[in-house]
Formats: sequence, structure tokens, C-alpha cells
Amino acid sequence: SQQGEEDPQALSIQEGENATMNCSYKTSINNLQWYRQNSGRGLVHLILIRSNEREKHSGRLRVTLDTSKKSSSLLITASRAADTASYFCATTGNQFYFGTGTSLTVIP
Amino acid sequence: GAGVSQSPSNKVTEKGKDVELRCDPISGHTALYWYRQSLGQGLEFLIYFQGNSAPDKSGLPSDRFSAERTGGSVSTLTIQRTQQEDSAVYLCASSWTRGPSSTDTQYFGPGTRLTVL
Repeated sequence: SQQGEEDPQALSIQEGENATMNCSYKTSINNLQWYRQNSGRGLVHLILIRSNEREKHSGRLRVTLDTSKKSSSLLITASRAADTASYFCATTGNQFYFGTGTSLTVIP
Repeated sequence: GAGVSQSPSNKVTEKGKDVELRCDPISGHTALYWYRQSLGQGLEFLIYFQGNSAPDKSGLPSDRFSAERTGGSVSTLTIQRTQQEDSAVYLCASSWTRGPSSTDTQYFGPGTRLTVL
């Protein structure tokens, strides 16, 4: 099975609320990346966190990494309708593994 | 500059036919990746190329799938004797340096939507 698995599979929130997505993985990693995919388009890189980092921020994005639990979370604060997309975590070790994604809908 | 481009954007074919999907990576990127994304699913790694090294083909689902990268730039993914389960979006990505353990960002193309009737 795939290395990364996100939950929830789908998330619907009101504009302005925070959205939290989680990613779990199975083996040791070098780093973990989060990507966004708008409907019908390719993926866009959002943020990378290295295995020796615990938290990273980029604008309204906050990523945490817990290597002991083999999990990561992506928090989007003050969500906007334009944040509606699917979000994937990708782990890099011997290969790139992408999870199944979380579909986020932000209701205006 | 130009991003990763893929062609065609859509391809409809009949079961049993061969198809070729093309990827033009960002100029100067030495690593190139192919993924497959089925409807509502995550990305399935297929193959990656790094410079002139032998490609990592470990993700190819069957011997009907093959890929090549000519001159370290353009890549072609070929699916022979297509089956209905091959229907998916095929995504190509490139990055500056070496493969999976690199911290380099992957830049994705828009994908080719393949439909096998």
C-alpha cells in the first residue's frame, strides 16, 4: 500500500475557519512535503519539512512532523474559498510516495 | 520560464491500442518522474529518471508500460495493448537534482487524461 495516507478524506469548512489535515506514513523518511491539487490540474508544492524538523510555517500554512508517530499535519489558518483543493502529503525516502489526499472544500 | 508541459492533454483510445504520452520537463532539471492518478486517488509512482543513470522502473505496473528519456530532456511514456484499468491521469514532474531523497521541489505538469474504451 502507499506510504502516505491522509485523513480526513474530505473536509468541508466555512471561510475563515482553520483546516487541519493529517498524514501518516510507514517507513523512515528524509523529508515530507505537502502539495495542493486544484481540480483537473497538476500538483503545486506548498511546503517541505525535513525529518529533523518538528514544525514549519509558511504564510497561513503550518506543518508539524512527529517522526516517532510517523505522522504530519497541515494546518491552513483563516481559510479562503480559493483554498478549495485536494491536499497530498509526499514522503521521500528511497522513493517518493504520495498519499491518497484530503479533499478540502471552503464554503464562502 | 516555461513549466513542465505534457501532451496530449486528453487521449481516448480503444482497448488493445498502444499510446504514447509526452513530457517536456523544465529546462535544466535532471530528475524526471512519471506518476499515475486514478479518479479520486493519490499518486502512484511509476518511474523516475536521473541524468544519465539507469531509470528506477520499480513502480511500473506491468511490462506493457515503458518509458524513455531522450537526451536527458523529453520523456515518453508508452503503454502497449492498453486496458480499461489503464484509464487515469498520467502526471509528469521534474526537479533540479537527484531523486527521491532530494529536498528539491517537484514541478508538475498538467497531466494527460487517458481514457481506454
